[in-house]
Amino acid sequence: QLQLQESGPGLVKPSETLSLTCTVSGGSISSRSYYWGWIRQPPGKGLEWIGTTHSSETTYYNPSLKSRVTVSVDKSKNQFSLRLSSVTAADTAVYYCARHGGNFMIGVVMPGWFDPWGQGALVTVSS
Amino acid sequence: EIVMTQSPATLSVSPGERATLSCRASQSVSSYLAWYQQKPGQPPRLLIYDASTRATGIPARFSGSGSGTEFTLTISSLQSEDFAVYYCQQYNNWPPWTFGQGTKVEIK
Repeated sequence: QLQLQESGPGLVKPSETLSLTCTVSGGSISSRSYYWGWIRQPPGKGLEWIGTTHSSETTYYNPSLKSRVTVSVDKSKNQFSLRLSSVTAADTAVYYCARHGGNFMIGVVMPGWFDPWGQGALVTVSS
Repeated sequence: EIVMTQSPATLSVSPGERATLSCRASQSVSSYLAWYQQKPGQPPRLLIYDASTRATGIPARFSGSGSGTEFTLTISSLQSEDFAVYYCQQYNNWPPWTFGQGTKVEIK
């Protein structure tokens, strides 16, 4: 059974960089059949996709965050990571990692839905 | 960017009754739509993908329908564990993958 677990600091100062890691267990992050994504949820609000990566190092970023986001894969550790720079209070949220699966088209997976999700990590931006 | 709009924001339903949730896309997403359930303090759980395919382990009382720009999630007979927030998400035009703002299903 695939499981994902987020880890990282729960408090980040304004203007600094938020860094989170997602550890995948029960499956390989190197599988070519899946992508891996980050989604966040501000307290009491909805879901916002942040970025997605693949073991091939293909990455996609939300245009609204693209200038500040880096998502990367560490196949040796079966982990993927999120870095968000120049954070402000507006970046306070629960950050989720998730497997980003989808349908195959001409033998290539097209990332679609998110399943399963990690439990989430609350990151507060405050001095 | 495709904007997903869910209605209503809150749905009050009695246990055992049917719940019908709507999701509208700002442009066609074909059948590339997923539904999620989120309970307080928990991550979202995938219910439906490809507009109408139930994910593994999801009870048959959950069903999805629609295509293009109009979609519906129906819960045929609400159980106590179904009171939660439900989100739709499109994956036809990306990036970005986008979510609706959610519909809260509460006990009437």
